[in-house]
Amino acid sequence: GAVVSQHPSRVICKSGTSVKIECRSLDFQATTMFWYRQFPKQSLMLMATSNEGSKATYEQGVEKDKFLINHASLTLSTLTVTSAHPEDSSFYICSARKYFGPGTRLLVL
Amino acid sequence: AQSVSQHNHHVILSEAASLELGCNYSYGGTVNLFWYVQYPGQHLQLLLKYFSGDPLVKGIKGFEAEFIKSKFSFNLRKPSVQWSDTAEYFCAVNPLYNTDKLIFGTGTRLQVFP
Repeated sequence: GAVVSQHPSRVICKSGTSVKIECRSLDFQATTMFWYRQFPKQSLMLMATSNEGSKATYEQGVEKDKFLINHASLTLSTLTVTSAHPEDSSFYICSARKYFGPGTRLLVL
Repeated sequence: AQSVSQHNHHVILSEAASLELGCNYSYGGTVNLFWYVQYPGQHLQLLLKYFSGDPLVKGIKGFEAEFIKSKFSFNLRKPSVQWSDTAEYFCAVNPLYNTDKLIFGTGTRLQVFP
């Protein structure tokens, strides 16, 4: 079946640095991918819709300059957390066609 | 505002007990409905989905859900739970004006004790 992968699975970085997370659809093409954020013991919050060939669409309250999204190809979307702060520490999950990636756990020190 | 509600935040059951998890949504238009499960340390997996047709849908691992349009509900059920069903369960709605966008409920943590 359809599979979505994410890389890295875990990342620890210093405050102020930028972190890039990749989301790939492995056996299908996706013109649209979605990025979610999940806080501990909470639900998934949709952050943005990644659109191949055009700008991402951000949900209300999500800073587009903070969370840069690039949908470089029909199988790859990247989320870059710029100038990361400890409050950005979270679990980031991408999806395509209602299939979810395994998530990336980000810890900002 | 449009939303998805899961009223049971934490459910504790013994093995063989019956399970029903509530899910209500507030979208007025046509929607697709989903239940996802997240086992400890694992990613989200699709349990079942409703698009159209028979409002009683059956999913994996003995789960089923019933879509009641008049109540805007899509409750998840299982007649006899197992210890391995311990997980977080999320109801999600896909408003059909956006083909793949999912709006999640707050989740229900299920603990099953042997």
